[in-house]
Amino acid sequence: GQNIDQPTEMTATEGAIVQINCTYQTSGFNGLFWYQQHAGEAPTFLSYNVLDGLEEKGRFSSFLSRSKGYSYLLLKELQMKDSASYLCAVRDGDYKLSFGAGTTVTVRA
Amino acid sequence: ETGVTQTPRHLVMGMTNKKSLKCEQHLGHNAMYWYKQSAKKPLELMFVYNFKEQTENNSVPSRFSPECPNSSHLFLHLHTLQPEDSALYLCASSQDPTSGVDTQYFGPGTRLTVL
Repeated sequence: GQNIDQPTEMTATEGAIVQINCTYQTSGFNGLFWYQQHAGEAPTFLSYNVLDGLEEKGRFSSFLSRSKGYSYLLLKELQMKDSASYLCAVRDGDYKLSFGAGTTVTVRA
Repeated sequence: ETGVTQTPRHLVMGMTNKKSLKCEQHLGHNAMYWYKQSAKKPLELMFVYNFKEQTENNSVPSRFSPECPNSSHLFLHLHTLQPEDSALYLCASSQDPTSGVDTQYFGPGTRLTVL
């Protein structure tokens, strides 16, 4: 199977920046996704990276380095509503999507 | 609202019960998925349907039986479950699972408890 690692938990203060790292080892690569999941709710799509570099979408940015098997999700100007689990998912060479266990981010006032 | 609905949202059942989970997507997608989400574990893909045909069964025990009557509806029939099957069951849909950029959209899930 695929190997996708991300930290279990992170805590940050409102207004701060948090970076969630994801490393992966897959057979082939066809893109990396980040999802946000609030407790008791559906995972919702945040970003997709297939080429190296940074993709910015408002307060959220996602970075990819294919040679290093590494991505991060950057959350800026943290708000209380950003408290959620963040899932990293990788599509392999056979187009199969595998998920990491998720990183629970807690934003404190 | 993601365009994918699931019912029921919560289900408690005994090990000898038979129940079904329902998923409906309103996005015009061709593929539908069942996932199992247990605490602190990655989402586990269970089944994939593309154009109503099952394209993937991820070694799921036969006590879970999927049904896809059309591209908009997906069911998961449950029978003789075990307590370790208690989890959040998520349904998702997407346009084309053979495309790299294909994005899956998830329903809110059914929280299943097996007593």
